[in-house]
Parts: sequence; structure tokens; C-alpha cells
Amino acid sequence: EADIYQTPRYLVIGTGKKITLECSQTMGHDKMYWYQQDPGMELHLIHYSYGVNSTEKGDLSSESTVSRIRTEHFPLTLESARPSHTSQYLCASRPNGWGADTQYFGPGTRLTVL
Amino acid sequence: AQSVTQLGSHVSVSEGALVLLRCNYSSSVPPYLFWYVQYPNQGLQLLLKYTSAATLVKGINGFEAEFKKSETSFHLTKPSAHMSDAAEYFCAVTVTGTASKLTFGTGTRLQVTL
Repeated sequence: EADIYQTPRYLVIGTGKKITLECSQTMGHDKMYWYQQDPGMELHLIHYSYGVNSTEKGDLSSESTVSRIRTEHFPLTLESARPSHTSQYLCASRPNGWGADTQYFGPGTRLTVL
Repeated sequence: AQSVTQLGSHVSVSEGALVLLRCNYSSSVPPYLFWYVQYPNQGLQLLLKYTSAATLVKGINGFEAEFKKSETSFHLTKPSAHMSDAAEYFCAVTVTGTASKLTFGTGTRLQVTL
């Protein structure tokens, strides 16, 4: 069983607010990922990290930013939330092994921007 | 670049009937393929994965999938559906050397009726 946590689980916030979505894992995994998932749609990779001090943009352009100061922590920040940011955000991690290693997912944060 | 196509955004079966969820992939190099399940308001859970060790892969909850290179397919099956199988199912692909980024299909919602 993977130990990857996301907080908050649900967030309703007004336009223009700064928000940070938290993601933590206790497995010592080097690689971590953020996906955006709109209702009834596929997951799109928005950010990933190879390890501490490593961050890369994913396949879907996003106005969010990420940081990786500690192995276990990979927070996502929106400086000024907008209604278009309303979505579910899923965090994942995997061991720094070969390609077939499993990505483990957190429970997700459902963000609504009014 | 690699991709997956899931045929049928919604599949409905009767309890006890065969479950068949279709996934076709496209990749210029040998792929690693995954099936994930997502229950409402939860993250993704790995059902099974193909790592080139065996073409018939058995997963959790009685699911299995067969890798068919000639058909570029990785369909998910279960002999007898249970009400608890109702969920969203995602097929995903990755290849070596892509930071292990997963590319997901659009998902198939499985409905199980009495």
C-alpha cells in the first residue's frame, strides 16, 4: 500500500486568491508528478520532478508552479486562482527505477474557484 | 510519442457478466502498459501492468489483461462483474527514457447493473 497524501481534499476559493496544494509521500521516492483531471476526462501531466531541486513542466501547460525542496514534499501553487483552474489535481510518486515501476497516486484535491 | 486509445467511454454490464474494456496503444518502442481504477472522489489504484515478462497479466480483484503486439492492444477483462467493480478505468502507457511519464487514455466508466 502506497503512502502518499494530499491536502486539502476539497477546496472552494474565490478568484484571485493564492493557494497551495500539498503532496507528501513517505516512501522515499525520487520521482513525483502532478496531474490535472477534469470531470469525465483523461489525466494530463502538468509538472514532474526527478528529485530534490528538480522540477519540469509536463505535457499540459499550466499556470501553476511547483517546488521540490525535500524528497517527500512536492507542493503545487497557484498565485492567483481563476475559475478556469477548477479541476481535480492528483499527485503521484514512483521509485527511481526502471520504466515499468508503478506510479502511486494520492487521493486528489478537488479545487473549485468561484 | 506514445499514446493509448480507449474505445467506449461508457460500458454497462449486468452483474455476473463478462467485463471487457478495450485499450489500444501506439508506440515506436516497446511499451509498458498499465490499467488503473478510480473510484468516485479517490485517486488512481493500480490494477495490473505489463512489463514484457508475460503477455497475460493478472491483477487485483479478478482482473486480467493480455498484451497483443500484433493488434497493439491491451484489453482488460474480468469473467464475472460485481457491483463493486463500478468505477472509472484508465489505460496508460510509458516507455523507457521519458522520465517514466504516463500517458493516459480518456477513461472508460463501467456501470454494473442488477
